[in-house]
Amino acid sequence: AQSVTQLDSQVPVFEEAPVELRCNYSSSVSVYLFWYVQYPNQGLQLLLKYLSGSTLVKGINGFEAEFNKSQTSFHLRKPSVHISDTAEYFCAVSVWTGTYKYIFGTGTRLKVLA
Amino acid sequence: EAGVAQSPRYKIIEKRQSVAFWCNPISGHATLYWYQQILGQGPKLLIQFQNNGVVDDSQLPKDRFSAERLKGVDSTLKIQPAKLEDSAVYLCASSLDEAGGLKTQYFGPGTRLLVL
Repeated sequence: AQSVTQLDSQVPVFEEAPVELRCNYSSSVSVYLFWYVQYPNQGLQLLLKYLSGSTLVKGINGFEAEFNKSQTSFHLRKPSVHISDTAEYFCAVSVWTGTYKYIFGTGTRLKVLA
Repeated sequence: EAGVAQSPRYKIIEKRQSVAFWCNPISGHATLYWYQQILGQGPKLLIQFQNNGVVDDSQLPKDRFSAERLKGVDSTLKIQPAKLEDSAVYLCASSLDEAGGLKTQYFGPGTRLLVL
């Protein structure tokens, strides 16, 4: 069975510092990988996605993620965070089960401190 | 391009009452999803439609939840009767078929339900 693990439930970081949000997945078949951001009282917004090709994927708002097949990871990074990056971040995988099914992690709450 | 629309944004009801949520997907998106997001958790798929047909409803509690997408465009999710544990945010998403069958999902703002 497929699963997504986000080990860090909360990550506090000072403004302008770098951040990494970790995501590991488990799957016996090929997956597509996504990161979504959810601001308070809003729906999920797509940050970036990995389909194939280059393992380093750049997304919106200065975020990027690197796919590592051997470690089954897809960590999200940003070199310098802003207060406005405070939000919940969800990693998700999409796997083929007769149709493409999404499985979400439990989320990481990023808190950017002034 | 207009995004996924949902209404109402907030709803408070008492247990055993009924409630309905509405979703209008992005124009041209054939696939529509309803998710339940309990506080502190990731979204859980309740039901997936392809046009007006159900593709996956394996995690829908069918004794109390129902959903329809009669004309293959907008959709309604109903809970009858509601229980305390149904308190959650209900997210609607839609997607367009991409190369290889992948569907990138775009989410609406959600409906926050509180059952008292």
